[in-house]
Amino acid sequence: DEELVESGGGSVQPGGSLKLSCEAAGFSLMNYWMTWVRQAPGKGLEWVASIDDDAIEKYYADSVRGRFTVSKDNHKKSVSLHINNLRVDDTAVYYCVRPLHYYGTGSFYTDYYDLWGQGIQVRVSS
Amino acid sequence: QSVLTQPPSLSGAPGQRVTLSCSGSRTNIGAGFDVHWYQQIPGTTPKLLIYGNYNRPSGVPDRFSGFKSGMSASLVITGLQAEDEADYFCQSYDNSLSGGVFGGGTKLTVL
Repeated sequence: DEELVESGGGSVQPGGSLKLSCEAAGFSLMNYWMTWVRQAPGKGLEWVASIDDDAIEKYYADSVRGRFTVSKDNHKKSVSLHINNLRVDDTAVYYCVRPLHYYGTGSFYTDYYDLWGQGIQVRVSS
Repeated sequence: QSVLTQPPSLSGAPGQRVTLSCSGSRTNIGAGFDVHWYQQIPGTTPKLLIYGNYNRPSGVPDRFSGFKSGMSASLVITGLQAEDEADYFCQSYDNSLSGGVFGGGTKLTVL
């Protein structure tokens, strides 16, 4: 079965750092982009970052650009999110998700997320 | 504040038909980007419900239907069941933000 398992969350003070990891099972990361999505307490979902199948192209939400770094090791079947200079509003459950490209009637695609990890809690407070 | 706008709550009685709306703008849904929907039962991980505006993944009952028109999309649930009580999120892409965007979610209560 295909599965994503996150690890590495925890509680940190503002300004601190964390590394979130996501292990993929049942499929090869070489063939897929990967994405991180987060959900603040009682709030909606927020796209955070994406990395392409070759682990070359990386994209970030404005709210995290410059502080978060996404990486992928296709051979180790893992995706990571390095989070620096944490802020209180980074408190959320972080999900590792697998995006699939949907090509509609236009010449472009949108990603949809067909496989989700169980989520990992990050709590930032002083 | 979410880029896509969804009503925060909606309710319906068992057996009823309900429509959940998702409103965007010219930089996302209105630009032609497709819409996807997720269901999140409290305490669980979001689950893909509809992709590409109207496609259902394997295992999703045909009680769930998706539509898109202009700058908005909708999710229709017919024959509402108690197990449908959940949060529902729409999602698309925004070319001014160069990234994925979600709605704030609609909490559906089955009376």
